[in-house]
Amino acid sequence: QSVLTQPPSVSAAPGQKVTISCSGSNSNIGNDYVSWYQHLPGTAPTVLIYDNNQRPSGIPDRFSGSKSGTSATLDITGLQTGDEADYYCGSWDSSLRAYVFGTGTKVIVL
Amino acid sequence: QVQLLESGPGLVKPSETLSLTCIVSGGSINNYYWSWVRQPAGKGLEWIGRFYPGGTTNYNPSLRSRVTMSADTSKSQFSLRLSSVTAADTAVYYCAGGDRLYYYYVDVWGKGTTVTVSS
Repeated sequence: QSVLTQPPSVSAAPGQKVTISCSGSNSNIGNDYVSWYQHLPGTAPTVLIYDNNQRPSGIPDRFSGSKSGTSATLDITGLQTGDEADYYCGSWDSSLRAYVFGTGTKVIVL
Repeated sequence: QVQLLESGPGLVKPSETLSLTCIVSGGSINNYYWSWVRQPAGKGLEWIGRFYPGGTTNYNPSLRSRVTMSADTSKSQFSLRLSSVTAADTAVYYCAGGDRLYYYYVDVWGKGTTVTVSS
């Protein structure tokens, strides 16, 4: 019962672009930064984006993030088969005084 | 580069207390906000809580009454205790960390350890 809502899945062919949305509220996304995580099966999650649109070193610029109001978006361009994974947004919720993850989105490469 | 490694029993009986430990290497345990995150099979990530050794503690409200996080800085390790477990607590548990109090995010993760609650 996450307070951050994502579509269950998105899909596209290799080389194409997918966009993952993350919808929240004024107590979380509207009041704090958003981060994005990639979770490949059987591995630990890794952070792709922090502070809405910043990439850690080593993350390719095919991954980009943005935020507007109480929603955020992760774009993946030049889709590769290795991008098939679950993606989660995350943000601090000031009402809960807790960090919250989104519901998660499975990226399917057709 | 900070690295984390979880350890603990893979099987816990219902109503008992789940205890996990995370060893920190490659960096100081005193410089991070340490967290635990879990993922039940087929479900999403759930943040359990975070703490700063000797300082701030924040727990997921849905688990707050059953969770305790602590650190043994002399051993460079931190722990999770979750009491009165049920089958719903069966999950992969990750120890993790972030270096900020505000604008927090998780930038280091352990590999995860599977815990099953069953008699």
